Amino acid sequence: NAGVTQTPKFQVLKTGQSMTLQCAQDMNHNSMYWYRQDPGMGLRLIYYSASEGTTDKGEVPNGYNVSRLNKREFSLRLESAAPSQTSVYFCASVGTSLYEQYFGPGTRLTVT
Amino acid sequence: QKEVEQNSGPLSVPEGAIASLNCTYSDRVSQSFFWYRQYSGKSPELIMSIYSNGDKEDGRFTAQLNKASQYVSLLIRDSQPSDSATYLCAVNTGRRALTFGSGTRLQVQP
Repeated sequence: NAGVTQTPKFQVLKTGQSMTLQCAQDMNHNSMYWYRQDPGMGLRLIYYSASEGTTDKGEVPNGYNVSRLNKREFSLRLESAAPSQTSVYFCASVGTSLYEQYFGPGTRLTVT
Repeated sequence: QKEVEQNSGPLSVPEGAIASLNCTYSDRVSQSFFWYRQYSGKSPELIMSIYSNGDKEDGRFTAQLNKASQYVSLLIRDSQPSDSATYLCAVNTGRRALTFGSGTRLQVQP
C-alpha cells in the first residue's frame, strides 16, 4: 500500500515548456486534489476532482489543466510554464472522513 | 482579510514545555477544522481534527475549538525537539476542499 505517489520528485523547466505532473493513489478514494505551496503562502488549491469524471477549479487554477484519468490517477498539466509557477506541488486524496486528506511526497518545480 | 490566519512564528519553547498554536478563520459557516504537521522538505501529515466546540485530546496533543470566536488552537504538552516543524491549520469552508493557513513554525529547544 503506497498511499499517494507523485512523479517526478524534481523538475526544472524553461519558460514556455510544458509538462505533466502525475499523481496516483491506491486507497480507493473518490476525491483528489492538487495544491501548490510557496514560501509564506501555505497550501493553495489549484484544482480538485470530487469523483471520477469530474473536476473543479480551486483558488489558483490559471495556467493549469487537470485530467482525472480514472479513480486512481489525477494529473496536472502546465501548458506553457512561467517563472511564477515555481513552487512545490502536492497531490492529495480524501480518506473515509470527508475532509481528512492524505498527501503525496510533492514535486519541486523550478521554472527558469 | 485572509480566510485562515496563523502567526508565522517562529514560536520557540523549551523542551518539556507546552506549545500553544493559534488559528483564526473568517467564514462563520466553517464546520471542520484540522491541524497538520509539516517537517521541512516533507508533505503535510494530519495530526488532529475537530468538529465541535470544546477540547479534543489525542496523546500529547489537544485541539480546542471556539466557533463563536472563530478560533481554533493546538496545544502540545511535554514538547520534544522532534515536534519542531511547521503546523498548518486547515478549515472546511463549504466546498469539498480545505483552506489552509500559512503555518506556524515551532522550534523546541533541547
